[in-house]
Amino acid sequence: NAGVMQNPRHLVRRRGQEARLRCSPMKGHSHVYWYRQLPEEGLKFMVYLQKENIIDESGMPKERFSAEFPKEGPSILRIQQVVRGDSAAYFCASSSGTASYNEQFFGPGTRLTVL
Amino acid sequence: GESVGLHLPTLSVQEGDNSIINCAYSNSASDYFIWYKQESGKGPQFIIDIRSNMDKRQGQRVTVLLNKTVKHLSLQIAATQPGDSAVYFCADNFNKFYFGSGTKLNVKP
Repeated sequence: NAGVMQNPRHLVRRRGQEARLRCSPMKGHSHVYWYRQLPEEGLKFMVYLQKENIIDESGMPKERFSAEFPKEGPSILRIQQVVRGDSAAYFCASSSGTASYNEQFFGPGTRLTVL
Repeated sequence: GESVGLHLPTLSVQEGDNSIINCAYSNSASDYFIWYKQESGKGPQFIIDIRSNMDKRQGQRVTVLLNKTVKHLSLQIAATQPGDSAVYFCADNFNKFYFGSGTKLNVKP
C-alpha cells in the first residue's frame, strides 16, 4: 500500500509564474490536508479537503492560492504569480476520515523555491 | 496560539540519555493526542498516540504522559540515539490542524 505521494519533490519557479503541487492520498483515504513549512518553523495548516469539497480553508492566503481535490485524480495546490515569500516546503497529508480520531499520514513534501 | 515566525525551541541531549519533550494544549475538550516526528527533509511521521482516558502510554523506547489537569503532554524517549534527532510535534483532535512549532531534538554523540 503506497503512502502519500507528492510531486514534484522540488520545484523552482521565477517570480510571477504559477506553481502546481500535486498530492495523491493513501489508497482508501478521502481527506486531504495541505500544510506549509518555512525553514526552522512548524507546520502551518492551509486547507482541508474532501473529494470535490473544500471543508476548511481558514489557513489559505486570500489571494493567489487555491486548492482542489477532484473526484478523480490527485489534489492540487495552485499558487499563482509566485513571490519569493512563497518559497517553503509544502506538505500534504491524508486520512480516512471515518472516525473522530484520524491520524494524518504525510507525504514527503514539495520544496518550492522562487527565484 | 500559533508561534508563526518563531524559531524552533531546541533540546540537546547526549546519546544514551533520556529525552523529555513537552507540549501544552489549550482546549480541555481535546481527548486524543498524537506525537509526530519529522526528520530533516522528510514529512512528519506518527510516533505514538494517547486518549484522554489514559495518563500514560508506552511504545518502543517512547512513553507519552498526559496531564489533563494542567493540559500538558510529554514525550519521553529512552536511551536517545542519533536517529532520534528530528523535530517533534504534538497534535490533538480538537485542533487537529495545529501542530505548533515543535521541538528540535539534537542528539550529541
